[in-house]
Amino acid sequence: NAGVTQTPKFQVLKTGQSMTLQCAQDMNHEYMSWYRQDPGMGLRLIHYSVGAGITDQGEVPNGYNVSRSTTEDFPLRLLSAAPSQTSVYFCASRGWAGGQETQYFGPGTRLLVL
Amino acid sequence: AQSVTQLDSQVPVFEEAPVELRCNYSSSVSVYLFWYVQYPNQGLQLLLKYLSGSTLVKGINGFEAEFNKSQTSFHLRKPSVHISDTAEYFCAVSDGGGGNKLTFGTGTQLKVEL
Repeated sequence: NAGVTQTPKFQVLKTGQSMTLQCAQDMNHEYMSWYRQDPGMGLRLIHYSVGAGITDQGEVPNGYNVSRSTTEDFPLRLLSAAPSQTSVYFCASRGWAGGQETQYFGPGTRLLVL
Repeated sequence: AQSVTQLDSQVPVFEEAPVELRCNYSSSVSVYLFWYVQYPNQGLQLLLKYLSGSTLVKGINGFEAEFNKSQTSFHLRKPSVHISDTAEYFCAVSDGGGGNKLTFGTGTQLKVEL
């Protein structure tokens, strides 16, 4: 298993540009989520999904869209990037395996908006 | 609403000394508590979790934590740290589902020195 993969690892955008952060997992986990990490603020939940076709907002959803057309993929879209969206973005998945609940975070995408 | 407070932003400690990283939470419902570790430029890795049962939880890398409901605390401890334990540690709480919609603390940077 590759676990949770995220692409790209780094991205620089200009204000107003749009882009999609990719997240994929190969563990057949139903639950996936997106967090952003900012200095001194810990991680904050942006959006989450409890299964294909089902998404919901987290703590800081403004400026971001998500969709979940398959169990494996959970892309995060920035429609019009703003400097306030400069952050490190983590995707995570959670599911049951072997009678144990498992949680995995991806390696992160570092985004700079100029 | 739920929240997590990590009282120490940085904790310096000498190698082979014991360490305690403090975490206090607030929640109006039953809680599930987690500790994660983040090494430089990496994603988060689950150290341990409390869902129910014994209040003393053992995790990976020799870490343990004790759930104290009366003090609303979930402090992380290790009897003897190693240089490789240098990392940032995050406490998190979930109000249901054993990990859905995590609320994170702001993190504690553990620096182990020779």
